[in-house]
Amino acid sequence: DVKVTQSSRYLVKRTGEKVFLECVQDMDHENMFWYRQDPGLGLRLIYFSYDVKMKEKGDIPEGYSVSREKKERFSLILESASTNQTSMYLCASRPTGDYDYGYTFGSGTRLTVV
Amino acid sequence: GQSLEQPSEVTAVEGAIVQINCTYQTSGFYGLSWYQQHDGGAPTFLSYNALDGLEETGRFSSFLSRSDSYGYLLLQELQMKDSASYFCAVEGTYKYIFGTGTRLKVLA
Repeated sequence: DVKVTQSSRYLVKRTGEKVFLECVQDMDHENMFWYRQDPGLGLRLIYFSYDVKMKEKGDIPEGYSVSREKKERFSLILESASTNQTSMYLCASRPTGDYDYGYTFGSGTRLTVV
Repeated sequence: GQSLEQPSEVTAVEGAIVQINCTYQTSGFYGLSWYQQHDGGAPTFLSYNALDGLEETGRFSSFLSRSDSYGYLLLQELQMKDSASYFCAVEGTYKYIFGTGTRLKVLA
């Protein structure tokens, strides 16, 4: 089974802290994604990466950055956490070109910024 | 811009059939997918339609009409475990755009 593992299930951070969310997948997928999920807003794309060291902005990149130094790992960084970044963060991966496959999501990290 | 619309909530009884609609507006379109998410869980992939028509997978079917920018997910013989949120997602270059989700409540 493909696994996407997010390092933390729950996280509480203080305003202004630098926050790292880690995501690792074990199926050699080229594409990795970070979404945030908020009630009534669905899933919104923050950043994605289609190859090592490559990154593209999604729909809501402000306040975030990402890093993909290795194919299996995609990190989301909150440069200076703010309360409006309190949310559920979901990482996903998918192989290139196989649209029938769909995304495989991690279990999510529920981040609370206080 | 891109947008997807789906109902926020649908309620049905066990054993019934329910249809969840999705209309989309997008500048580039490769296909329409559906995901299921139980409370506290991760979204899981259900189906993908690239061409017009109906795709059936067990109790679930998904339909696409590209000319109408419309699709639906059909759930038959509803079971309590089908209570979840269902998201449609438009496939673009490299990425999806997700709808805001439909919460399905199945009543005994």
